[in-house]
Amino acid sequence: GAGVSQSPSNKVTEKGKDVELRCDPISGHTALYWYRQSLGQGLEFLIYFQGNSAPDKSGLPSDRFSAERTGGSVSTLTIQRTQQEDSAVYLCASSLKTYEQYFGPGTRLTVT
Amino acid sequence: RKEVEQDPGPFNVPEGATVAFNCTYSNSASQSFFWYRQDCRKEPKLLMSVYSSGNEDGRFTAQLNRASQYISLLIRDSKLSDSATYLCVTDPNTGGFKTIFGAGTRLFVKA
Repeated sequence: GAGVSQSPSNKVTEKGKDVELRCDPISGHTALYWYRQSLGQGLEFLIYFQGNSAPDKSGLPSDRFSAERTGGSVSTLTIQRTQQEDSAVYLCASSLKTYEQYFGPGTRLTVT
Repeated sequence: RKEVEQDPGPFNVPEGATVAFNCTYSNSASQSFFWYRQDCRKEPKLLMSVYSSGNEDGRFTAQLNRASQYISLLIRDSKLSDSATYLCVTDPNTGGFKTIFGAGTRLFVKA
């Protein structure tokens, strides 16, 4: 079956611009996660959606970052007024009532 | 102190060697533990769960030591294809299925 998909795969943007990153989780998965990974670093937790519960936003680094999940499926991560330090790979994962997370291929964001 | 700490390595070992990684966690309330594998420029994938009694999957053995708050991963008879970054993962015991990832340990297996 289809795995987690993310778009775009690569995004180059100018400092100060807004960007939207999209995640399509595996159908039926109730949990969805966003992480950020800088070059050579580990995964930094950003936000976690679980069913209809309020999302856990404790990992968002600033108020420039926001995410929503519509209809319990597709999620969009928005970064406003991008900065160079936002450059990283943004990974989305989903899971079905377990801790086993299935990751998408990521979006590589470069802020120039 | 980070919630999950790992030796970043890299570990450089010859084929056939046995290699072990440790990972320490700070939250004594954590209940679930995992090892994920991440190949270069790829997404992480679950390698194995870590049970209280320890578990083995082929050449891979995972152990949990709750008293000392660490988990370990042992790889026997290393293969070239084992070269990857190994990520230690725990849950913060905050409800739901949120997880905390360590920064990873890099392994290079050489011919």
